[in-house]
Amino acid sequence: EIVMTQSPATLSVSPGERATLSCRASQTISSTVAWYQQKPGQAPRLLIYGASTRATGIPARFSGSGSGTEFTLTISSLQSEDFAVYYCQQYNNSPPLTFGGGTKVEIK
Amino acid sequence: EVQLVESGGGLVQPGGSLRLSCAASGFIFSHYEMNWVRQAPGKGLEWISYISRSAGTIYYADSVQGRFTISRDNAKNSLFLQMSSLRAEDTAVYYCARTSIDMVRGYFDLWGRGTLLTVSS
Repeated sequence: EIVMTQSPATLSVSPGERATLSCRASQTISSTVAWYQQKPGQAPRLLIYGASTRATGIPARFSGSGSGTEFTLTISSLQSEDFAVYYCQQYNNSPPLTFGGGTKVEIK
Repeated sequence: EVQLVESGGGLVQPGGSLRLSCAASGFIFSHYEMNWVRQAPGKGLEWISYISRSAGTIYYADSVQGRFTISRDNAKNSLFLQMSSLRAEDTAVYYCARTSIDMVRGYFDLWGRGTLLTVSS
């Protein structure tokens, strides 16, 4: 099973600042990583797939990068609606499909 | 509108059974692989089951293998999860999630709003 490790667990950022979230895979997985955003009481929403491709309707301030074992989600200028929990997920080697533990982005 | 709507959650005693349903609309259900993903209270996401378009391939997470059964009815645009021998640790919100059409067993491009299962005496 591929283990996905996200860091930090919590990220405190001021509105308008840049946020950088990390995700590490326990073995190489090419670019088969997706990122999701989840707000309280809501279902997750797909942000990024293929490590760097934005899903339909996702603002350009969200970007993904990385390959192999190290992946990054960057939010270039945080808006109020971006404060949420973010999860990475690998789909290179399944089953099982595995998620990281999440990074909570909170207002500083 | 393209959507997934789960139903069937509730309070069940340990050892009990329950069947969850997911109604799909707005897209050709039979063209997509489907999954169940759960989230325990205050915890992260856990994939628990996958079913291929024709139901010919099915996978389960170790945590539910032998206790849960995934199925689908393409004629009724519905996905199901039959759960038995339920445990307290199965308490979670259960999401129905669609696999993106461009990759086998890939990422999830559409999620339902979830249905809450509570296992408690």
